Amino acid sequence: TQLLKQSPQFLSIQEGENLTVYCNSSSVFSSLQWYRQEPGEGPVLLVTVVTGGEVKKLKRLTFQFGDARKDSSLHITAAQPGDTGLYLCAGGSPAGNMLTFGGGTRLMVKP
Amino acid sequence: NAGVMQNPRHLVRRRGQEARLRCSPMKGHSHVYWYRQLPEEGLKFMVYLQKENIIDESGMPKERFSAEFPKEGPSILRIQQVVRGDSAAYFCASSRGPRQYSNQPQHFGDGTRLSIL
Repeated sequence: TQLLKQSPQFLSIQEGENLTVYCNSSSVFSSLQWYRQEPGEGPVLLVTVVTGGEVKKLKRLTFQFGDARKDSSLHITAAQPGDTGLYLCAGGSPAGNMLTFGGGTRLMVKP
Repeated sequence: NAGVMQNPRHLVRRRGQEARLRCSPMKGHSHVYWYRQLPEEGLKFMVYLQKENIIDESGMPKERFSAEFPKEGPSILRIQQVVRGDSAAYFCASSRGPRQYSNQPQHFGDGTRLSIL
C-alpha cells in the first residue's frame, strides 16, 4: 500500500511570511499533483509534476518533485489571506489508475 | 460551467435507506473516478470507470457499494442499506485519458455530502 504523509498538518502564519509544505513517501510515484480545497468544494488542481527533480512555479507558489520521485514540496512566498485553504498532494502510481492522497495541510494566513 | 458536475450537493438518508450519487464528467472526458473524504482527512480512492466498464474497484467496500457509468447518462455511485459510517463527502473526478499511461490530470467536482441519520 502506497502512503503519502504531509507535514505539517496545520499551519497558521501571518500575511507576508513564507512557508513550505512537505509530502513524503517511501514509494515511487509516476507523477505528483498538488490540489487546493476550499470548504464545501472539491479539490482544484494546482500543478502536476512528473520528472524527478522537476521544479514548477505558479506565481508565488513553487513546487518541487524529489529526484527519486518519492517526495515533493510546495513553497509559498509572501503568503496572503487568499492562500488560506487545505492543500493536498496526490501521487499517481506507475501501475495503477488511482491517485493516492496525503492527509492534507490546512493553512491559515492571518491578515 | 464545463466542469465535473455532481448532484445532489447534500443528501440526507436514514439508516437502511439507499443513496444514489450522480456524476457527469467534464466534456470530452470518458474516465471517471470516485473518492471518499472523511472530515479533516485526504481523499481515498474507491473506483475507476470508463464508459460501461469498471476498470479498478480496489477501493470499494465489498458489500452495499456499487458504481456504474452507462453509455448514456451520468456515472452513479450507489450505496444500499446505508449506515452511520457511510457519512462522508463523496467526490467524483474525470480525466480525458487513463491516468496510468498519460498522466492525465484528474479534475474534481464539488462533491456530495452524505449524512446518515
